[in-house]
Amino acid sequence: NAGVTQTPKFRILKIGQSMTLQCTQDMNHNYMYWYRQDPGMGLKLIYYSVGAGITDKGEVPNGYNVSRSTTEDFPLRLELAAPSQTSVYFCASSYDGRQGSPLHFGNGTRLTVT
Amino acid sequence: AQSVAQPEDQVNVAEGNPLTVKCTYSVSGNPYLFWYVQYPNRGLQFLLKYITGDNLVKGSYGFEAEFNKSQTSFHLKKPSALVSDSALYFCAVRDMKGDSNYQLIWGAGTKLIIKP
Repeated sequence: NAGVTQTPKFRILKIGQSMTLQCTQDMNHNYMYWYRQDPGMGLKLIYYSVGAGITDKGEVPNGYNVSRSTTEDFPLRLELAAPSQTSVYFCASSYDGRQGSPLHFGNGTRLTVT
Repeated sequence: AQSVAQPEDQVNVAEGNPLTVKCTYSVSGNPYLFWYVQYPNRGLQFLLKYITGDNLVKGSYGFEAEFNKSQTSFHLKKPSALVSDSALYFCAVRDMKGDSNYQLIWGAGTKLIIKP
């Protein structure tokens, strides 16, 4: 099983450019998440989804957008990239967030904005 | 406010010695507690969780964690450390606020270094 797959693995953007980080999972999980990880700061939740067609903001949503048209895919869109968005981005999924099901993570996308 | 604290940025242990990575939490109600491990250039991997029941929880790779309600702690332990245990460890607790949709609150992480 592939689990959670993220693309690309690395990307360098110039200030003001836009891009989409792709995330797909093959476990038929309802819950999906986007986190960013900055050194010494743990994980910050950007957006999450509890099912196809349903998304909600996390702790740090500004500058990002998401969509969830299918159960499998949960792309993250960066509009007008800024240096503050330089980070490592992780997509994750879980069967049921309410019951404490474990999160399954992708291997991350390392984004640099210069 | 609900929070998770990992008081040590780094823990150094000699191979073969027992290890402890500390975690304390502050949430209302009964907590759901988790430990995850992150190896270099990889995503996080689930190790174990506590929801209810026995205070000593066993997980992957020989790790275990002890839930202590009176001290609001959930320390990660292993009786005999391996060099391959060297990684970044994260503690997390489920947010119990009604509008949170059960999201996790994460600690900042503890770097565990096991020396041969």
